Amino acid sequence: KQEVTQIPAALSVPEGENLVLNCSFTDSAIYNLQWFRQDPGKGLTSLLLIQSSQREQTSGRLNASLDKSSGRSTLYIAASQPGDSATYLCAVSQGGSEKLVFGKGTKLTVNP
Amino acid sequence: GAVVSQHPSRVICKSGTSVKIECRSLDFQATTMFWYRQFPKQSLMLMATSNEGSKATYEQGVEKDKFLINHASLTLSTLTVTSAHPEDSSFYICSARTRADTQYFGPGTRLTVL
Repeated sequence: KQEVTQIPAALSVPEGENLVLNCSFTDSAIYNLQWFRQDPGKGLTSLLLIQSSQREQTSGRLNASLDKSSGRSTLYIAASQPGDSATYLCAVSQGGSEKLVFGKGTKLTVNP
Repeated sequence: GAVVSQHPSRVICKSGTSVKIECRSLDFQATTMFWYRQFPKQSLMLMATSNEGSKATYEQGVEKDKFLINHASLTLSTLTVTSAHPEDSSFYICSARTRADTQYFGPGTRLTVL
C-alpha cells in the first residue's frame, strides 16, 4: 500500500528566504507526482506535475524534483513571499490507476 | 485552467438528515469524477470514483449505502450523505478528470452535522 509522508508538518520562515519542502513515498512504481497548494478551507490548486520519467519541473519561483528510485520529491520555493503561505500537498498516482495518494501536507507560513 | 465548482460550500445539518453535495465541471466534460474527504490536519482520502452513466467504485471502508454517488451527466456528479451523523462532519472535495488525464479540484464543501 502506497504511503506518502511530508516533512516538516509545519514551517515558518521570514519573507525572502528560500525553502525546501520534502515528500517521500514508499512504492517507487508511480505514474506521476504532483504538488498542490491548499489555502485554509479551500480546494486544491495544482502547482507542478512531474511524470515518472522526468527529474524536475519548474514554474516561476517553484521547482520540484523527483528521485523515483529513492522515493523522494522536493519542492523548492525561491524568494518566499507572504502570499505563499498555505498548505502544500504532495500526491502520487500509481501506474494504471487514476487514484491519487496524498501526504498530510506541510503548512507554510511566510512572515513579512 | 479548467474550473470545477461545488455546491454548497458550507452546510450544517441535524443528525439523521441527508445532505446532497454537487460537483460540476464548468468548462469541460468529465467522464470521471472523484470524491475525497479530508479531516482536520489529515490527508485527503479518496472515497469513490464516479463514472458517468455507471455505478461508482468505492474505496475499501467507505459505505456505498451511506455515501450515494450519482454521475448523471458529463458535467455533474452528486454525493449524498444519508442519515448523517456527527462523525461524518468533514471537508468533502471533488475532482474532475479531463480527457488529458489531468484532475482539477473543486473548492470543497464543509459539512457539519450537529
